[in-house]
Amino acid sequence: DAGVIQSPRHEVTEMGQEVTLRCKPISGHDYLFWYRQTMMRGLELLIYFNNNVPIDDSGMPEDRFSAKMPNASFSTLKIQPSEPRDSAVYFCASSLGGHLYRYFGPGTRLTVT
Amino acid sequence: AQSVAQPEDQVNVAEGNPLTVKCTYSVSGNPYLFWYVQYPNRGLQFLLKYITGDNLVKGSYGFEAEFNKSQTSFHLKKPSALVSDSALYFCAVRADTGRRALTFGSGTRLQVQP
Repeated sequence: DAGVIQSPRHEVTEMGQEVTLRCKPISGHDYLFWYRQTMMRGLELLIYFNNNVPIDDSGMPEDRFSAKMPNASFSTLKIQPSEPRDSAVYFCASSLGGHLYRYFGPGTRLTVT
Repeated sequence: AQSVAQPEDQVNVAEGNPLTVKCTYSVSGNPYLFWYVQYPNRGLQFLLKYITGDNLVKGSYGFEAEFNKSQTSFHLKKPSALVSDSALYFCAVRADTGRRALTFGSGTRLQVQP
């Protein structure tokens, strides 16, 4: 298996633009997690899904952020409109069973100017 | 609420010396504890976990961690550090029931000098 796949790897956009980050979890995994990593705040959980259903989105910072998982092999994290403070590395992770360790993707480095 | 504290932003150690990266946690119920490592421009990689059983857990690359319930600690250790161990290390916790999300510590940068 190729592991968790994220795209794009890097994204640079202007403030106010819509940003869509994509994730393909490991096949067969039933949990998917979106994390954000910044120097100031470290690694924060934004939202996670179980069997494509959002379970906990309490980490989503604002209504500008939304996440979907239309099927077991694909999830998106959308920011609309983007702001400079959204600049961070966004990680997607998946796991088989929520108690097991997560497999992390390589991350998407987002820069909003 | 669950939380993780990694009191050291950076740990410096000479190659060949033992290393310890500290982690304490707070959780309601029994803890599931994890250590991850992050190399530059890479995602987090799993090192080891404690779910139940022996308090000393052995993981990848010669790392081990000791679960201490009374001190609510889960320190990461390695008997002999390598320069290639230099990376960012994260401790994480979740309770054995309820919310499945892991809470991560702020990370500790390990620098191993040749």
